[in-house]
Amino acid sequence: AQRVTQPEKLLSVFKGAPVELKCNYSYSGSPELFWYVQYSRQRLQLLLRHISRESIKGFTADLNKGETSFHLKKPFAQEEDSAMYYCALDTNDYKLSFGAGTTVTVRA
Amino acid sequence: GAVVSQHPSRVICKSGTSVKIECRSLDFQATTMFWYRQFPKQSLMLMATSNEGSKATYEQGVEKDKFLINHASLTLSTLTVTSAHPEDSSFYICSAPGLAGDISANEQFFGPGTRLTVL
Repeated sequence: AQRVTQPEKLLSVFKGAPVELKCNYSYSGSPELFWYVQYSRQRLQLLLRHISRESIKGFTADLNKGETSFHLKKPFAQEEDSAMYYCALDTNDYKLSFGAGTTVTVRA
Repeated sequence: GAVVSQHPSRVICKSGTSVKIECRSLDFQATTMFWYRQFPKQSLMLMATSNEGSKATYEQGVEKDKFLINHASLTLSTLTVTSAHPEDSSFYICSAPGLAGDISANEQFFGPGTRLTVL
């Protein structure tokens, strides 16, 4: 069975500081991993996916198959980054397994 | 980008009644849609996969007779919570994947969610 672990429920950083959200997964197949974000009073939306290796809003995430991790990083956090972040695993049939989520608060 | 809507956004009902929640893909067709449930401050749990033209497939532990899913058209899936009880109170969210072959193919587009409160 697949599983996604986000060990931090809450993360608080100062504006301009680096932020890293941890995500580990367990899956026997070839994983497709995503980070989804939910801003206050908004719907869940895609932040980035590992296959595109892109940087969105300054965030990057690298898939490390050896460590089965997909940590999300941003070198300089902004106040508008305050949100709930979910790491998600697609088991190649569009079904998503979500981690428990990490609430990020960026303080001025 | 693709837009998914849900109706109603919130509903309050009495215990024992049934409630229908609609999920629509507004500007694209979705042969598959997904229904999730989210408890306060918790993650989304996949409940079922809604398949246009065929039966829904339910995740382990989800009662199919309790949560009826109908995928009536390529743009509409409905979730009916039958004989609702207070423990069914939750936030229900639907999603639809992007179009196959499109850059958004791997992306799920989520509805805004429906808050169900059963008294």
